[in-house]
Amino acid sequence: DGGITQSPKYLFRKEGQNVTLSCEQNLNHDAMYWYRQDPGQGLRLIYYSQIVNDFQKGDIAEGYSVSREKKESFPLTVTSAQKNPTAFYLCASSTTSQGAIYGYTFGSGTRLTVV
Amino acid sequence: SQQGEEDPQALSIQEGENATMNCSYKTSINNLQWYRQNSGRGLVHLILIRSNEREKHSGRLRVTLDTSKKSSSLLITASRAADTASYFCATGPTNAGGTSYGKLTFGQGTILTVHP
Repeated sequence: DGGITQSPKYLFRKEGQNVTLSCEQNLNHDAMYWYRQDPGQGLRLIYYSQIVNDFQKGDIAEGYSVSREKKESFPLTVTSAQKNPTAFYLCASSTTSQGAIYGYTFGSGTRLTVV
Repeated sequence: SQQGEEDPQALSIQEGENATMNCSYKTSINNLQWYRQNSGRGLVHLILIRSNEREKHSGRLRVTLDTSKKSSSLLITASRAADTASYFCATGPTNAGGTSYGKLTFGQGTILTVHP
């Protein structure tokens, strides 16, 4: 089945540590996105990529980094510069082809906790 | 900044009743989308309505869009306990074909609880 896989489901980070969240899709989608969700809040865009080897900052990119070396993969690194990283992280993808109106496909999320 | 703002923040109803959620937005849009999120899970795309459409149906879902008031509503008819979830509206840029690519901006959501 086609879809988006995020791993791990739960992640614990120590103070000052960098961690990387994985996001893989087999939908042949061109565009991929990372959102952060805090309790009781909506989603805020961290980074997005519409094509391989290119990505753009979202609204809250500080303290995060991404790469897009393959169409299928869009990993997110939460660096030590991110002072409040505890949150639920969601990866999504979408097609950019004409006429497609299926919206975003989301992964199941990674819950990151600072310990 | 949040483009969509949902109202109410929380809604509690009995099974079989209808649930109506509203979304207001600030800038011009090409389309508006509604998503559902079960607790601790990812979002699931429910329905997309384009700026030149006024109403759209999908099963028990009915979405309306009023671009003059910059608002949309999602109606779930004959609700079921399984409809319990958070519902989000989202807006964003698209290309001329109405494709939903480009960064979406989400509202803070409406938490719907349907009691059996």
